[in-house]
Amino acid sequence: AQKITQTQPGMFVQEKEAVTLDCTYDTSDPSYGLFWYKQPSSGEMIFLIYQGSYDQQNATEGRYSLNFQKARKSANLVISASQLGDSAMYFCAMREGAAEYGNKLVFGAGTILRVKS
Amino acid sequence: GAGVSQSPSNKVTEKGKDVELRCDPISGHTALYWYRQSLGQGLEFLIYFQGNSAPDKSGLPSDRFSAERTGGSVSTLTIQRTQQEDSAVYLCASSSRTSGSGYNEQFFGPGTRLTVL
Repeated sequence: AQKITQTQPGMFVQEKEAVTLDCTYDTSDPSYGLFWYKQPSSGEMIFLIYQGSYDQQNATEGRYSLNFQKARKSANLVISASQLGDSAMYFCAMREGAAEYGNKLVFGAGTILRVKS
Repeated sequence: GAGVSQSPSNKVTEKGKDVELRCDPISGHTALYWYRQSLGQGLEFLIYFQGNSAPDKSGLPSDRFSAERTGGSVSTLTIQRTQQEDSAVYLCASSSRTSGSGYNEQFFGPGTRLTVL
């Protein structure tokens, strides 16, 4: 079974509007972390936001927020007030196990986001 | 610079040749990861180093792939007898080990694009 599923291969959003990128995950480990990374056409991987499995509140970082629904095993990324520079590939990733063990990340297939002016 | 660096940025080789890819992590980061990004397989974990030891090599696709890390810093990924299916972008990431708090974010390098002719 896929550990990270991103069901939207591509998304369009109008500049200044909000967009939600979907991510569902599958793990039996009670301790895990969920990450979102952005990969522009330049190829670099840019960390956006993190949610830990024991975190009580949804993570927020500037225009990025994570809609964490633990019972549904979903960790959707919400980008508010989209900008042209947000056009990129977005990856959801999961770390199984506690952070101090430095466990590997498992990535979803990614969603290509295009922001229209 | 302060980020993860990788060299070369691009490598074109002939089938059957050996290649070495280098990663220089962020200073002080004890954990180092190699991933591979290809069109067909997405982002795949290859190997994880903690210091100079590799507690997780589960992602190495065959015995043609090996990696080492020396001095708890620079790592080299070696691919012997390259095949066309080895063509991909090889990404290196590093992180600092946390102890019970924090989320052990991985910082990625720009990648090495390997093309096997």
